[in-house]
Amino acid sequence: EVQLLESGGGLVQPGGSLRLSCTASGFTFSSYAMAWVRQAPGKGLERVSTINVRDGSTYYADSVKGRFTISRDNSKNTLYLQMNSLRVEDTAVYYCAKDREGSVADYFDCWGQGTLVTVSS
Amino acid sequence: DIQMTQSPSTLSASVGDRVTITCRASQSVSNWLAWYQQKPGKAPKLLIYKASNLENGVPSRFSGSGSGTEFTLTISSLQPDDLATYFCQQHTGSSSLTFGGGTKVEIK
Repeated sequence: EVQLLESGGGLVQPGGSLRLSCTASGFTFSSYAMAWVRQAPGKGLERVSTINVRDGSTYYADSVKGRFTISRDNSKNTLYLQMNSLRVEDTAVYYCAKDREGSVADYFDCWGQGTLVTVSS
Repeated sequence: DIQMTQSPSTLSASVGDRVTITCRASQSVSNWLAWYQQKPGKAPKLLIYKASNLENGVPSRFSGSGSGTEFTLTISSLQPDDLATYFCQQHTGSSSLTFGGGTKVEIK
């Protein structure tokens, strides 16, 4: 069974940092593009960042560019999101998601349960 | 960025009704469109990909159509389990991946 399990969320002050992790199981992690998607309370979905397999290319939403970094450790089947200079508007549930097709992030057939990040003083 | 606009934002229908949700793109996305269902407190679930392909295990009452800039998600006979918010998502390239604002489906 394909599973994604996020961890690392919590309460942090504005300007602080957090690192989210997503541990994958049930599929060949190294063969699939992955993404972080967030959802602010009562709001819609926003793609935060994606990482492809074919060339390791990464993409970021303009709202997080320069502050967030996506990475993966295929030996540990784990996806990461390093979040620095956090702002109140980064408050959201952060989901890890697996691409359906493979090496390039297109659409997502498996999602984690989400981890809540709250940025507040 | 390509903007995705869904309508209506909320709809209320009775069990057994045919329900249609529309998603419009600010420019052509060809058939690179997916639909997701999100139940309260849960993660999104992929329903449709490449505009009209039903994901494995999704009930056949769900269908998708359209191309270019206008797309629809149809539920042929609404069931109580379909209470959820539905999102469209375009993916014309890794640098261009955006979601619609969502349509909340309520059961009368």
